[in-house]
Amino acid sequence: GENVEQHPSTLSVQEGDSAVIKCTYSDSASNYFPWYKQELGKGPQLIIDIRSNVGEKKDQRIAVTLNKTAKHFSLHITETQPEDSAVYFCAASIEDSSYKLIFGSGTRLLVRP
Amino acid sequence: NAGVTQTPKFQVLKTGQSMTLQCAQDMNHEYMSWYRQDPGMGLRLIHYSVGAGITDQGEVPNGYNVSRSTTEDFPLRLLSAAPSQTSVYFCASSWTGANEKLFFGSGTQLSVL
Repeated sequence: GENVEQHPSTLSVQEGDSAVIKCTYSDSASNYFPWYKQELGKGPQLIIDIRSNVGEKKDQRIAVTLNKTAKHFSLHITETQPEDSAVYFCAASIEDSSYKLIFGSGTRLLVRP
Repeated sequence: NAGVTQTPKFQVLKTGQSMTLQCAQDMNHEYMSWYRQDPGMGLRLIHYSVGAGITDQGEVPNGYNVSRSTTEDFPLRLLSAAPSQTSVYFCASSWTGANEKLFFGSGTQLSVL
């Protein structure tokens, strides 16, 4: 089955710097890759997603890149702000009838003012 | 719109007790699912539903039952609680697919003693 590995587990950056979180997946049939942000005491919130027919997607300060050959995808946050501090999860899924979304183990991002 | 509402927020059970975690959504989403979140393991799918009257198993279904009698409600039942079921439980809903663009509730923290 699918396995998703996420690195690093913790990341500390200075406000204004960029942050990059990387994930690798094992099943080449995976074709949907979302990223979720979880603030303390809350449920995860979708921040961006990408499908395998697209190599990159941007939404303001957030971007996701996908390398299907290497089976890895990354989240890039530019001009980080203290409110970006949270736990970020990547996930991978195959668009079939199983509906199984496999999550990475999470990255705790701390943005220092 | 309240979104996805989970009750209770906290619960302590003794081994062998049963209980139901409630989940309701007011967005008329067809797809609903239950995840558990354990430290260092991301989120894992327990059960999901693609519409009223239809449910199926996810990654870790053992020890849990679900039913979907209405579009709005998707309760999760613990039949005989075990310490291994100590976790944070999240309910999610979606209009696009059981594994896509998920809206999560705020979670139920369950401890089984």
